[in-house]
Amino acid sequence: NAGVTQTPKFRVLKTGQSMTLLCAQDMNHEYMYWYRQDPGMGLRLIHYSVGEGTTAKGEVPDGYNVSRLKKQNFLLGLESAAPSQTSVYFCASSYQGSTEAFFGQGTRLTVV
Amino acid sequence: RKEVEQDPGPFNVPEGATVAFNCTYSNSASQSFFWYRQDCRKEPKLLMSVYSSGNEDGRFTAQLNRASQYISLLIRDSKLSDSATYLCVVNMVGTYKYIFGTGTRLKVLA
Repeated sequence: NAGVTQTPKFRVLKTGQSMTLLCAQDMNHEYMYWYRQDPGMGLRLIHYSVGEGTTAKGEVPDGYNVSRLKKQNFLLGLESAAPSQTSVYFCASSYQGSTEAFFGQGTRLTVV
Repeated sequence: RKEVEQDPGPFNVPEGATVAFNCTYSNSASQSFFWYRQDCRKEPKLLMSVYSSGNEDGRFTAQLNRASQYISLLIRDSKLSDSATYLCVVNMVGTYKYIFGTGTRLKVLA
């Protein structure tokens, strides 16, 4: 029962480097989301997707790009990492936009 | 005003106590409501959905008050294992977005 799987789980980047976070779900969910969680801020939506080939901006999209080429995968890219992007990133998926969301285990990213 | 507001706590309670959390939301068009539990350095996990008529799952009871725009979570007979952060989550009509509160920390003390 894999559910939602995120890779990598930890990463340290230097300012200006790029990286891609991968999210994979095996529940055939249409909706997928990328959140970041910072102390005292709660989870904030970065980007989301309501189906294969579609993406949309969330609350804090600047500095991030996403792609949903396959239904089961949702990629989050950082083109030029900044220290302000140090955070814990969570991917989530849901069957419908109003039903329970399932989360991956998170990626702890530090940008130095 | 935040869209979803929670008292951050921490709520420190002895084992066996009853504790209640409230959460207020600002958008009257909100349609779905959830309580999630998040353990330290872990992902959020669904504790329970909240229905208009209220619902109960073992020691946990959730209530929704649409008129006053708040939801509540009651935990009876608290266990040490209940220590966690409880997140209030609201979903808006037609937006496919989940809005999270910042969470309420609960510590159950032996």
